[in-house]
Amino acid sequence: DAGVIQSPRHEVTEMGQEVTLRCKPISGHNSLFWYRQTMMRGLELLIYFNNNVPIDDSGMPEDRFSAKMPNASFSTLKIQPSEPRDSAVYFCASKGVQGGNQPQHFGDGTRLSIL
Amino acid sequence: ILNVEQSPQSLHVQEGDSTNFTCSFPSSNFYALHWYRWETAKSPEALFVMTLNGDEKKKGRISATLNTKEGYSYLYIKGSQPEDSATYLCALSRSGNTGKLIFGQGTTLQVKP
Repeated sequence: DAGVIQSPRHEVTEMGQEVTLRCKPISGHNSLFWYRQTMMRGLELLIYFNNNVPIDDSGMPEDRFSAKMPNASFSTLKIQPSEPRDSAVYFCASKGVQGGNQPQHFGDGTRLSIL
Repeated sequence: ILNVEQSPQSLHVQEGDSTNFTCSFPSSNFYALHWYRWETAKSPEALFVMTLNGDEKKKGRISATLNTKEGYSYLYIKGSQPEDSATYLCALSRSGNTGKLIFGQGTTLQVKP
């Protein structure tokens, strides 16, 4: 079975550019999570969706960040305009059942570098 | 602010040693406690999800216990091997949410051959 698929794996771009990260959750999973990993703050939850609906976006750093889930098999995290402090590894994870007693399945992450 | 605390932050052991680390969390509104294993340059991989006070789970040489009343969980590795080298994350799920996890900062284990 395919796991969570993220693209691109690596992105290097100049500050001010728009960046779009993509995620395909495991088929049949109905919860999707976007995380950011940095040395300083560890693994932070940015936003999560249940049944394609955003439930909690309190972790989104600022208005430059936005996330969408137009259907059950695709989500995007967009940064516009990007800044050097956005450099991090961004993970997407999905889960099969609502509620906190099921594990999350993580993608391989997108390593983002903003110059 | 909810804090999930893990200790120690890092650990170096010799191959064959047994080791354990701690995850502390606020016990109010507890729902579930997750453990993940995170190898360098890979993604976190689920080890255990525990929900009941006194739960014990085992997967090969790795096991975990849970005390929800006092708010802690232990992860044990028996006879560490170099391939056990990774960061071990615990994460708290609280009641009333729909799957949001609060992660600790992790314990990084290095097993020397």
